[in-house]
Amino acid sequence: DVKVTQSSRYLVKRTGEKVFLECVQDMDHENMFWYRQDPGLGLRLIYFSYDVKMKEKGDIPEGYSVSREKKERFSLILESASTNQTSMYLCASSLDRGTDTQYFGPGTRLTVL
Amino acid sequence: SQQGEEDPQALSIQEGENATMNCSYKTSINNLQWYRQNSGRGLVHLILIRSNEREKHSGRLRVTLDTSKKSSSLLITASRAADTASYFCATESNAGNNRKLIWGLGTSLAVNP
Repeated sequence: DVKVTQSSRYLVKRTGEKVFLECVQDMDHENMFWYRQDPGLGLRLIYFSYDVKMKEKGDIPEGYSVSREKKERFSLILESASTNQTSMYLCASSLDRGTDTQYFGPGTRLTVL
Repeated sequence: SQQGEEDPQALSIQEGENATMNCSYKTSINNLQWYRQNSGRGLVHLILIRSNEREKHSGRLRVTLDTSKKSSSLLITASRAADTASYFCATESNAGNNRKLIWGLGTSLAVNP
């Protein structure tokens, strides 16, 4: 079974802090994704990566950056956290193309005070 | 931007009844997927139906796809309390070189014991 893990289930940070969210998948998937999920807005794609060191902006990349130094790990970075980045963050991976079945981690609920 | 739109937004049924959720989309697709999300958790893939398929079954799940109407339905038969969750459709556009899924806002299903 594919396993996607995220570094924290719950995280509380202060405005202006730099925040790192880590995601690791164990199935040698090419594609990895970061979404945020907010009530009434559904899943919105922040960034995705289809290869090591490659990244593409999703629909809402502002205020975020990503890093993929190894195939199994995809990190989301909030350079200077703001209260409007309080959200559920979901990481996902897929094997071949980005539109194949996606496997999700359990999510990180981030609160920025 | 959202492509898939599920309806109803919320559905409440008794255990043993069938639950039907619908998804409409706007552009041509290669496939359509359904996912389930239990409260506060990551999404779990349920079923993928390709554009040349009309119906697909998996256990108590039945998915139909009508490309002429740009719509899909998910039927859960003999529902159980454990089916209580949010259900999302996701579409893959076949326009351009898309590597991402487009998500609906979900249907919240409550199955009452």
